[in-house]
Amino acid sequence: RKEVEQDPGPFNVPEGATVAFNCTYSNSASQSFFWYRQDCRKEPKLLMSVYSSGNEDGRFTAQLNRASQYISLLIRDSKLSDSATYLCVVNILNDYKLSFGAGTTVTVRA
Amino acid sequence: DAGITQSPRHKVTETGTPVTLRCHQTENHRYMYWYRQDPGHGLRLIHYSYGVKDTDKGEVSDGYSVSRSKTEDFLLTLESATSSQTSVYFCAISPGNEQFFGPGTRLTVL
Repeated sequence: RKEVEQDPGPFNVPEGATVAFNCTYSNSASQSFFWYRQDCRKEPKLLMSVYSSGNEDGRFTAQLNRASQYISLLIRDSKLSDSATYLCVVNILNDYKLSFGAGTTVTVRA
Repeated sequence: DAGITQSPRHKVTETGTPVTLRCHQTENHRYMYWYRQDPGHGLRLIHYSYGVKDTDKGEVSDGYSVSRSKTEDFLLTLESATSSQTSVYFCAISPGNEQFFGPGTRLTVL
């Protein structure tokens, strides 16, 4: 079983729509959680950390559910520029190593 | 800008030849990482370093070696490249639990 699993998508949504997707992790000892954004043929870039109480950064909201071992990302009022692959990233043992999901592709259409 | 550069950015080589990829940081961070990214997989850790001359294996280290003689440079060597090592290689640094990535090296082994 993979340590971090994501629905690959693609999620095709119109501009202005809300899109949400989850990521599950297998190790209950996981300590830190992140969402990264990766554009085609570019490096991953940190979008946001995910905190236990949930957190928001503009149009992006991240939630953590430790009981069910998943994190979620919600994008409100989607923009064309939100089209990207979103990587779920988990720090398993708090030891400076990260585990990456394969990514969820989001395409926002005009 | 995370202050990480990678060289070369693109390389085509033949099976059996040695290849060295370089990662350079200007941030003076202790932790550096090498990943490969292939379709359908998340980023997979090849090797990482926690200080000068201190390195350890990741999950896909076979066929790769690394060296870190200076804080700012982390080298990845493919001793005898194989077609299965065709991939995109990312270097990362870690100021905390999160990581920041270089622009990547696209390697093709013919």
